[in-house]
Amino acid sequence: DGGITQSPKYLFRKEGQNVTLSCEQNLNHDAMYWYRQDPGQGLRLIYYSQIVNDFQKGDIAEGYSVSREKKESFPLTVTSAQKNPTAFYLCASSTWTGWDNEKLFFGSGTQLSVL
Amino acid sequence: LAKTTQPISMDSYEGQEVNITCSHNNIATNDYITWYQQFPSQGPRFIIQGYKTKVTNEVASLFIPADRKSSTLSLPRVSLSDTAVYYCLVGSGNTPLVFGKGTRLSVIA
Repeated sequence: DGGITQSPKYLFRKEGQNVTLSCEQNLNHDAMYWYRQDPGQGLRLIYYSQIVNDFQKGDIAEGYSVSREKKESFPLTVTSAQKNPTAFYLCASSTWTGWDNEKLFFGSGTQLSVL
Repeated sequence: LAKTTQPISMDSYEGQEVNITCSHNNIATNDYITWYQQFPSQGPRFIIQGYKTKVTNEVASLFIPADRKSSTLSLPRVSLSDTAVYYCLVGSGNTPLVFGKGTRLSVIA
């Protein structure tokens, strides 16, 4: 089936550790996104990429890094510089038709917790 | 940047029609209105998108008045499985979409 796969579903990070969240899509979408969601809150954009080998910072990029070496993959690294990483992380993709009428397809998310 | 305002929460009984209204006074000419549904511990799911008048699909209807300063998502005959958070988004030209806190719909048996 076509879709977006996030792994792992649950992830635990120790103090000072970098962790990487995986996001893979087989929808042939050009654009991919990473959002963070805290309990009871909306989604906040971390990074997005509209094309391979290019990405832009979102509203809360500090403490995070990404790469887009392949169209299908957009991994997110939560670095030790992110002091409050506990959250639900969501990856999404789209065909990229412009922000005025974009339709996002989301993965099932990764819950990251700090030990 | 078009900002949206929607109720924080709503309650409904099973079998009733639910209407969730979203206000977007600063919507731009090229902007579309899109609604997503999110269940706990899952990613949001696209429900419906429209530009003007009325749009209907197998899940919901979207009503947009002529001035486009608001929109109403209509869910016919809700069931317990429709309990979720519903987000209203408005396209914003050159900047990424913004997900607010949404409307938390609770369906009661």
